[in-house]
Amino acid sequence: AQKVTQAQTEISVVEKEDVTLDCVYETRDTTYYLFWYKQPPSGELVFLIRRNSFDEQNEISGRYSWNFQKSTSSFNFTITASQVVDSAVYFCALSEAMRGNNRLAFGKGNQVVVIP
Amino acid sequence: GAGVSQTPSNKVTEKGKYVELRCDPISGHTALYWYRQSLGQGPEFLIYFQGTGAADDSGLPNDRFFAVRPEGSVSTLKIQRTERGDSAVYLCASSPTGQGTDTQYFGPGTRLTVL
Repeated sequence: AQKVTQAQTEISVVEKEDVTLDCVYETRDTTYYLFWYKQPPSGELVFLIRRNSFDEQNEISGRYSWNFQKSTSSFNFTITASQVVDSAVYFCALSEAMRGNNRLAFGKGNQVVVIP
Repeated sequence: GAGVSQTPSNKVTEKGKYVELRCDPISGHTALYWYRQSLGQGPEFLIYFQGTGAADDSGLPNDRFFAVRPEGSVSTLKIQRTERGDSAVYLCASSPTGQGTDTQYFGPGTRLTVL
């Protein structure tokens, strides 16, 4: 069974501070994919990143960075120098794709509030 | 190009009524997914179509829920005898092939309120 845990429900930061969102996952598969999505107040889920289980390289995209640690089953997300536009709910998700199961299992999300 | 579209954006209905929610995927995407998102929760999988067929419907909560995709493009999620507990945002997503390497792209959702 797939399971994704995002323990922090709401995180408030002052603009320009960094914020790190934790994601811990459980899977019995050796091949799987991890995702982060952003859900702004408008409600639409916006894709941020996909990472496969064989690629543990960390990734940076602008002010966003991701740290994938297979040893601790974590895929954490950091926003550097936060801005008000970063205020949203962020979801981590897991897909055990090699089983032919393409469904995404989402965590409960992290509500990020950036205070100007 | 155009993203995933869903109609209506909001639907208010009374308990016991029948509703249909429509999803128009990204053109050319063979895989289509429905999820349901309750307040304060992450989306939960309902059903996955590969072309016209439902490849995985194990997330449908009960037999009041049904979905079709007759021509392999537009999909309709149908809910019979709606209950107050069905109130949620229903999200549709599509992906190019349905393979595990795909990324699912989501529509804006339909907010269903059952009074």
